[in-house]
Amino acid sequence: ILNVEQSPQSLHVQEGDSTNFTCSFPSSNFYALHWYRWETAKSPEALFVMTLNGDEKKKGRISATLNTKEGYSYLYIKGSQPEDSATYLCAFDTGRRALTFGSGTRLQVQP
Amino acid sequence: NAGVTQTPKFQVLKTGQSMTLQCAQDMNHEYMSWYRQDPGMGLRLIHYSVGAGITDQGEVPNGYNVSRSTTEDFPLRLLSAAPSQTSVYFCASSLGGSNQPQHFGDGTRLSIL
Repeated sequence: ILNVEQSPQSLHVQEGDSTNFTCSFPSSNFYALHWYRWETAKSPEALFVMTLNGDEKKKGRISATLNTKEGYSYLYIKGSQPEDSATYLCAFDTGRRALTFGSGTRLQVQP
Repeated sequence: NAGVTQTPKFQVLKTGQSMTLQCAQDMNHEYMSWYRQDPGMGLRLIHYSVGAGITDQGEVPNGYNVSRSTTEDFPLRLLSAAPSQTSVYFCASSLGGSNQPQHFGDGTRLSIL
């Protein structure tokens, strides 16, 4: 069983704050790292799929970086808004078509 | 666009009953998978399929069966329901490559009494 850890487990920030969370994964057998956003009462939606060491992806105010050698990825949200409130999941992909998910970081943005 | 459709949305079963959770996708995706989501835990892979006629076990396959007779459908069968199978079940699909994002259904909330 692969160990994919996310920290922190939960985070409360004020509207306008910038924030970041971490996903740690095994540094061996790396193929890709996925990030998903999961709003309450909805299904997870893909944010990024990252494959190369040093990769950086951006979608609006959300960006992510990847370090495959040390086994971590950061997700950043700039100027958090209440609509950013969700659980953010990362998933480790060994290329065998079976993703291993972390338990997520739950973000709450207070207006 | 329907995407990934799961039925039913909610179900209550008694211990020992069997049932099938349905999953269908209309995106011609090769890869389909079933996850369960329990409080405090991430999504855990139950079974997956890389194409019609091909299935494989994930992390937590015991007590579940799958089959993939068509590209569109990937049903999950509970053979004899147990309280430990109370969970929210998600079906997902993606294009063939491993680095493709997964598209999730809305989930089935299952309670076993």
